[in-house]
Amino acid sequence: QVQLVQSGADVKKTGASVTVSCKGSGYPFSDYYIWWLRQAPGQRLEWMGWINPKTGGTNYAGSFAGRVTMTRDTSINTAYMELTSVTSDDTAIYYCARGTPWFDPWGQGTLVSVST
Amino acid sequence: EIVLTQSPGTLSLSPGERATLSCRASQSVSTYIAWFQQKPDQAPRLLIYDASYRATGIPARFSGSGSGTDFTLTISSLEPEDSAVYYCQQRSNWVTFGQGTRLEIK
Repeated sequence: QVQLVQSGADVKKTGASVTVSCKGSGYPFSDYYIWWLRQAPGQRLEWMGWINPKTGGTNYAGSFAGRVTMTRDTSINTAYMELTSVTSDDTAIYYCARGTPWFDPWGQGTLVSVST
Repeated sequence: EIVLTQSPGTLSLSPGERATLSCRASQSVSTYIAWFQQKPDQAPRLLIYDASYRATGIPARFSGSGSGTDFTLTISSLEPEDSAVYYCQQRSNWVTFGQGTRLEIK
């Protein structure tokens, strides 16, 4: 079955960088964009950007531009999202999702906690 | 940015009843609307896309309707497992989500 499996929870200090991985299986990985979204406590779901696994092309939401980098390794069907200079406002569950173009399916989510 | 406003905030119904959830867009999104179900400690799951098409494996009791600015998700006969938060999402102009409707099954 189509599945996205993300890396485990992480705890970071303010100012650090965090990287979350997302491994796809059950479908041709390069044929669908991978989107990254996050769900912060009390906030709406928010998109961060997407990567085209075939070309490596990316598009980032304005609120994250300059702090986020999305990459992929097609040899292992895995996408990565790196967020730099994190603060407590970045404490959230981070999700990857396959764009079909609708978000289906989603990864299980990765909790990133930022502490001072 | 297109703002999606969902109502009601919380809905409490009994098994077998009909649930009607609303999503209103701040400007027209044509039919570029999806609905997701999210249960505690789970990722959102796609239910409806393009306003009215059921995603693969979604039971027929879930249906969507609407176009332009007003959309509805209907669950025709509630089951206990339908207890969840439901979100609408648009992709007409970038991507935004509604704030969610919490559905409780009594």
